[in-house]
Amino acid sequence: SYVLTQPPSVSVAPGKTAKITCGGDNIGSKSVHWYQQKPGQAPVVVIYSDSVRPSGIPERFSGSNSGNTATLTISRIEAGDEADYYCQVWDRSSDHVFGIGTKVTVL
Amino acid sequence: EVQLVESGGGLVQPRGSLRLSCAASGFTFSRYEMNWVRQAPGKGLEWVSYISSSGSTLHYADSVKGRFTISRENAKNSLYLQMNSLRAEDTAVYYCVREWSWSFDYWGQGSLVTVSS
Repeated sequence: SYVLTQPPSVSVAPGKTAKITCGGDNIGSKSVHWYQQKPGQAPVVVIYSDSVRPSGIPERFSGSNSGNTATLTISRIEAGDEADYYCQVWDRSSDHVFGIGTKVTVL
Repeated sequence: EVQLVESGGGLVQPRGSLRLSCAASGFTFSRYEMNWVRQAPGKGLEWVSYISSSGSTLHYADSVKGRFTISRENAKNSLYLQMNSLRAEDTAVYYCVREWSWSFDYWGQGSLVTVSS
């Protein structure tokens, strides 16, 4: 089965840049999607197809994907960006797969 | 406005059954693939099941295969998840999710299923 690896937590000071990685075997050949989930709420897609930002998502959110690592970057991070972030791919043998999630803390 | 509203969750005993429903509105339901995704308390997201737009293709996670059945009624804009032989480890919030380009673009607010004696 296909496995996605994320760091459990990332901490960053306000106004700085947070980078959340998502590792997987040749993940660069797959389409990666990122979700933000705040406590008590349903997840919201913030990046789909590696780097596309849905309408309503701030430009501070960006994504990239190459080789064995995909990355979600949050620039000029704000307190309101504190949340859990999940990466997700579709794999032929595993169907939809999620990473374990990364808790982002704004210091 | 796209809306997905789950119902049918609750407390059920181990080995019991429950049927979740999802009412969709704000989009042409029959054109979209749909999924169920769950989240155990304090845990991450786990994909559960997929159904094609016509209902002809079904996929399941290994953890629920043989016990859960996904279905849909396009005429009623509704998605279902029949859950049998429930186990404690099935305790979770279950989300009804619309799929678009292999991503999940709209999520319901979730329905809590608790399996306990």
